Amino acid sequence: GEDVEQSLFLSVREGDSSVINCTYTDSSSTYLYWYKQEPGAGLQLLTYIFSNMDMKQDQRLTVLLNKKDKHLSLRIADTQTGDSAIYFCAESPLYKLSFGAGTTVTVRA
Amino acid sequence: DTAVSQTPKYLVTQMGNDKSIKCEQNLGHDTMYWYKQDSKKFLKIMFSYNNKELIINETVPNRFSPKSPDKAHLNLHINSLELGDSAVYFCASSQDVTGGENHNEQFFGPGTRLTVL
Repeated sequence: GEDVEQSLFLSVREGDSSVINCTYTDSSSTYLYWYKQEPGAGLQLLTYIFSNMDMKQDQRLTVLLNKKDKHLSLRIADTQTGDSAIYFCAESPLYKLSFGAGTTVTVRA
Repeated sequence: DTAVSQTPKYLVTQMGNDKSIKCEQNLGHDTMYWYKQDSKKFLKIMFSYNNKELIINETVPNRFSPKSPDKAHLNLHINSLELGDSAVYFCASSQDVTGGENHNEQFFGPGTRLTVL
């Protein structure tokens, strides 16, 4: 979406770390989200961060938030083939989620 | 059990036809949504319903008419289908409204791929 921007593609070698970046515009979003979409499937929530936090770690996932710059990133450690998917960043203005265009992550052997 | 289900999964139809997509959630949620994902994977909100009441209509053409017979169902009827309506339509639900200071995870259905010929 025009309010949330992400790079469109990322190729990463299996076992390396992936970093997906996102910028958003809605300063009223108390929560920011990362969703994952596997081929032919719906979206599933990966993780989210409260806007008063700088970082959140959840197993292989690390979310970094720079609220001043409205920049959000998702790091996936030890990327596996099962991590190949589209990753969507989302801000949460009232009553909806506003998504970025999605980053297609391809994991190569 | 599927939490958010949609029927049909695939829908192929001619321009000018009228079609419906059904959505049901068995999570006991109060809020339901329709999103449209275009061929470039861009995902955009269409409608939000809370307790069967419309709370968001994101400048969707009035050929699209959502209907919520009860809190567990949000159906999408589309009149006079156009080529540009071809997309994947996702239904979602959350316990209460998302956004602002509220974190209410949205659960998505598997999508309905609509192809208009």
